[in-house]
Amino acid sequence: DIQMTQSPASLSASLGETVSIECLASEGISNDLAWYQQKSGKSPQLLIYAASRLQDGVPSRFSGSGSGTRYSLKISGMQPEDEADYFCQQSYKYPLTFGSGTKLEIK
Amino acid sequence: EVQLQQSGAELVKPGASVKLSCKTSGYTFSNYYMSWLKQMPGQNIEWIGNIYGGNGGTGYNQKFKGKATLTVDKSSSTAYMDLSSLTSEDSAVYFCARGYRYNPNWFAYWGQGTLVTVSS
Repeated sequence: DIQMTQSPASLSASLGETVSIECLASEGISNDLAWYQQKSGKSPQLLIYAASRLQDGVPSRFSGSGSGTRYSLKISGMQPEDEADYFCQQSYKYPLTFGSGTKLEIK
Repeated sequence: EVQLQQSGAELVKPGASVKLSCKTSGYTFSNYYMSWLKQMPGQNIEWIGNIYGGNGGTGYNQKFKGKATLTVDKSSSTAYMDLSSLTSEDSAVYFCARGYRYNPNWFAYWGQGTLVTVSS
């Protein structure tokens, strides 16, 4: 199985601050990567797919980048509603696997 | 509007089985795969497997073979997951999720989740 190592596990940011979350795949995944946001008690919401494509309706302050085994999610200008857990997911090979998540809080 | 409506919370005894449902609307059920995922409290998400709405063809995560069985009822546009021989390790929230037609594995639509608690 492809292992997805996500960092950091938790992060605290001030409003307006830019934050980055990283995911490292155990092998190359050819940009087959998605990012999700999950608020407390809710279902995950797709933010980014194909490593860098913004899902419809997602604010443009979210962006994704990377290639090969290294990928990142950037939030340019933290907003109160961005406080949530974030997960990466590879769709390159079955079984699909997720990162362990990053808890993002407001400082 | 695409909607995935999951069945309610379950409290089940160890060793028992449970059947979860995911009733869909707003799209052509037979044209898409449906995946099922597991999330234990405070833990990451695991992909259990998927099923094609058109012919019921399935793919499973090896870890969940023998534990989960996926089926569909095209007439009611509903996907089901049977979980068998339940233990405390099966206590979790289970989600159904649907992707795109060209890539079924980017989950743009999710059910609200079903909490399964295994306890005597």
